[in-house]
Amino acid sequence: EAQVTQNPRYLITVTGKKLTVTCSQNMNHEYMSWYRQDPGLGLRQIYYSMNVEVTDKGDVPEGYKVSRKEKRNFPLILESPSPNQTSLYFCASSLSGEGATYGYTFGSGTRLTVV
Amino acid sequence: GDSVTQMEGPVTLSEEAFLTINCTYTATGYPSLFWYVQYPGEGLQLLLKATKADDKGSNKGFEATYRKETTSFHLEKGSVQVSDSAVYFCALSGPGKSGGSYIPTFGRGTSLIVHP
Repeated sequence: EAQVTQNPRYLITVTGKKLTVTCSQNMNHEYMSWYRQDPGLGLRQIYYSMNVEVTDKGDVPEGYKVSRKEKRNFPLILESPSPNQTSLYFCASSLSGEGATYGYTFGSGTRLTVV
Repeated sequence: GDSVTQMEGPVTLSEEAFLTINCTYTATGYPSLFWYVQYPGEGLQLLLKATKADDKGSNKGFEATYRKETTSFHLEKGSVQVSDSAVYFCALSGPGKSGGSYIPTFGRGTSLIVHP
């Protein structure tokens, strides 16, 4: 089944403790992206990757890191999480960076709480 | 920059009622337009899309027509069901800020609640 898999689904952590949220897709998609979803703010893009070893900042990159060493994986790293990073996170992928005609496949989400 | 404006929700309807969720956009060039649906506890799913003016996207009884003259992509369904209760997101994807990438822009979402 074609899908984007995120782990974990739920995570509670403490301020300052480094964490990684994994994202993997099995569709050989070139483009991958991370979003956070907050009430009243909708979806905001954190980082995206056009292909292996190519990443760029989205609208809200502060406090996050990403890497794209393999085509299928795009982990999101919070080096020192803070409470304002409590949110619902989604990974998404698309066939190519020109996702205009393809649309995006989303993962099921990771609900992160930082206390 | 690019933007998408959706009607604020929640939209509350009775089963079998007609649904319209308005979406208008601002973009340079000729973007593709999408509607996504998010059911409770799940990620977004692509519902339908249209890639050029006057195209009509349709899926699961939902329809939306790409209207370039009014920069709109309103979502419609003739008869909603309780199972359609979800949050609906309008989105566009077109030439990016740097001209080289297609960075998607999402609306803030419209919650639909359908009562039996």
